[in-house]
Amino acid sequence: NAGVMQNPRHLVRRRGQEARLRCSPMKGHSHVYWYRQLPEEGLKFMVYLQKENIIDESGMPKERFSAEFPKEGPSILRIQQVVRGDSAAYFCASSRSEATGEDTQYFGPGTRLTVL
Amino acid sequence: SQKIEQNSEALNIQEGKTATLTCNYTNYSPAYLQWYRQDPGRGPVFLLLIRENEKEKRKERLKVTFDTTLKQSLFHITASQPADSATYLCALSNSGGSNYKLTFGKGTLLTVNP
Repeated sequence: NAGVMQNPRHLVRRRGQEARLRCSPMKGHSHVYWYRQLPEEGLKFMVYLQKENIIDESGMPKERFSAEFPKEGPSILRIQQVVRGDSAAYFCASSRSEATGEDTQYFGPGTRLTVL
Repeated sequence: SQKIEQNSEALNIQEGKTATLTCNYTNYSPAYLQWYRQDPGRGPVFLLLIRENEKEKRKERLKVTFDTTLKQSLFHITASQPADSATYLCALSNSGGSNYKLTFGKGTLLTVNP
């Protein structure tokens, strides 16, 4: 059973370009979470999605960032007009149901975004 | 504001000894606390979860304690091995209905020397 898959693993963009990060959850998981890890910082929650629904985007910057989890295909985290401060590792996690004490989140390997 | 602190950025111990890592938090009432392991270039891997009403949890060579009065968790690895070398992350859940939302500490880099 494949784990959470993310691609690309490394992404380099110039300032002003768009970055698209993809996440395929574990088989049988319908809940996806995105986290960001800035250099020298802990992982920070960004957004929680179920199929075709954004449940909680309270951790996501209001501008330039968006996320989706369509009925078919991977979840996408999109960053428009990237700036140097967006350089970070972006991790996706999935769970079978809404993660509680009984159902933990499984993390992917992350996408390392570098903005030149 | 809410804050999570892991006792040190790095911890070096000798193989066979017990490693003890600390996680302190302020302005939180977490529903549960988790410990993860993260290797370089990889995502966090879940190790153990302890609920607010539990004092201690064990899994093989791992033990976690949770003191909600002190607002502290201790993570122990007994009979440590070089393969245990990694960064260990403490993560707290939100309480009050959104406990899927995890907040992580910066981690402690553990090195077990042979």
